Amino acid sequence: EVQLVESGGGVVRPGGSLRLSCAASGFTFDDYGMTWVRQAPGKGLECVSGMNWNGDNRGYADSVKGRFTISRDSAKNSLYLQMNNLRAEDTALYYCARGRREENIPVALDLWGRGTLVTVSS
Amino acid sequence: QSALTQPPSASGSPGQSVTISCTGTSSDVGDYKYVSWYQQHPGKAPKLMIYEVSKRPSGVPDRFSGSKSGNTASLTVSGLQAEDEADYYCNSYAGNNNVVFGGGTKLTVL
Repeated sequence: EVQLVESGGGVVRPGGSLRLSCAASGFTFDDYGMTWVRQAPGKGLECVSGMNWNGDNRGYADSVKGRFTISRDSAKNSLYLQMNNLRAEDTALYYCARGRREENIPVALDLWGRGTLVTVSS
Repeated sequence: QSALTQPPSASGSPGQSVTISCTGTSSDVGDYKYVSWYQQHPGKAPKLMIYEVSKRPSGVPDRFSGSKSGNTASLTVSGLQAEDEADYYCNSYAGNNNVVFGGGTKLTVL
């Protein structure tokens, strides 16, 4: 089955760190750019970070630049998001999503996971 | 990186057509063909409805169509059905490996 499964969310104090993982299955992971999109409770979507198929091109939202790092491991068919110095405003459901095969940086996200919830609270 | 501008809400009766706008700048929507639209039902992950301004993924009904003029992209839903009631989001490539989303539009089928 073609799917993405996120993990690693939880409750963390301001200033703390978390590492999100996204396990891909059912397709050739190396062929696709991948991205992390978050949605704060009751709010809209925000593209946090994306990368192309081989990691040469990476982008970050201004709100997370310098704090979050996206990476991927082809051997494990997995995407990661290292989140440091977390703030209350980072509280959100974090989705992993796949870009269309033809794209470099993923824009048209044709496969989504169910998300993992990150709560930053003291 | 400013969010794209969408109207907070839109509505229409069953069978009617409704158009949702997505306004950006000459640095994002106006400069690239990479504009997509997503449908999100409550508690669900978003679903890709339109990509590259006007292309439909396999399985998306042809009642959904997209277009662009200048810095504004549009999604039109024709022949509205009850199941079309959802939140709709646009996004666009914005250069320098960045992607921006719109704030979302809640579509109500009256």
